[in-house]
Amino acid sequence: DIQLTQSPSFLSASVGDRVTITCRASQGISSFLAWYHQKPGTAPKLLIYAASTLQSGVPSRFSGSGSGTEFTLTITSLQPEDFATYYCQQLNSYPITFGQGTRLEIK
Amino acid sequence: QVQLVESGGGVVQPGGSLRLSCEASGFTFSSSGMHWVRQAPGKGLEWVAFIRYDGNNKYYADSVKGRFTVSRDNSKSTLYLQLNSLRPEDTAVYYCAEGVGGWYWGQGTLVTVSS
Repeated sequence: DIQLTQSPSFLSASVGDRVTITCRASQGISSFLAWYHQKPGTAPKLLIYAASTLQSGVPSRFSGSGSGTEFTLTITSLQPEDFATYYCQQLNSYPITFGQGTRLEIK
Repeated sequence: QVQLVESGGGVVQPGGSLRLSCEASGFTFSSSGMHWVRQAPGKGLEWVAFIRYDGNNKYYADSVKGRFTVSRDNSKSTLYLQLNSLRPEDTAVYYCAEGVGGWYWGQGTLVTVSS
């Protein structure tokens, strides 16, 4: 199975900050990686797919990069609605796996 | 737009069974592979099962293999998950999801396994 390790697991930041979350895969997954965020009591929402393609309707302050085993999600100028838990997901092979999550909280 | 609505969750005793449903709309269900994912309370996301658009290929997580069965009825645009031999560790919100490079998710249905 492909393991995904996100760092950090917890992040405290302020409105207007720029933050970066990293996702490392235990083996190469090309660009078969997606990013989601999830707020308490709601379903995950797709932000980025194919490692760097912004999902329609998602603000341009979100961006993704990487391929192979190392990927990053960057949020520029954090907004209040961005405080949530972020997950990466690999779709290269079964079983499909997720990172453990990064909880982004307001400082 | 894609809409996925899960139902069928509830409280069940260990060893019991439950069938979850996911009604789909806003896309061509009969052409789409579908997934089930679960999330235990306060925990992360765990992929559970996949079924190909025609129902001919299915994949399962090791944790549910032999106990859970995914199926679909394309005439009703509905996805199912049969949960048998339930254990307390199966307690979770169960989501159905659709997509290829990235997924759309339903709102989830809660399954609680407890005596």
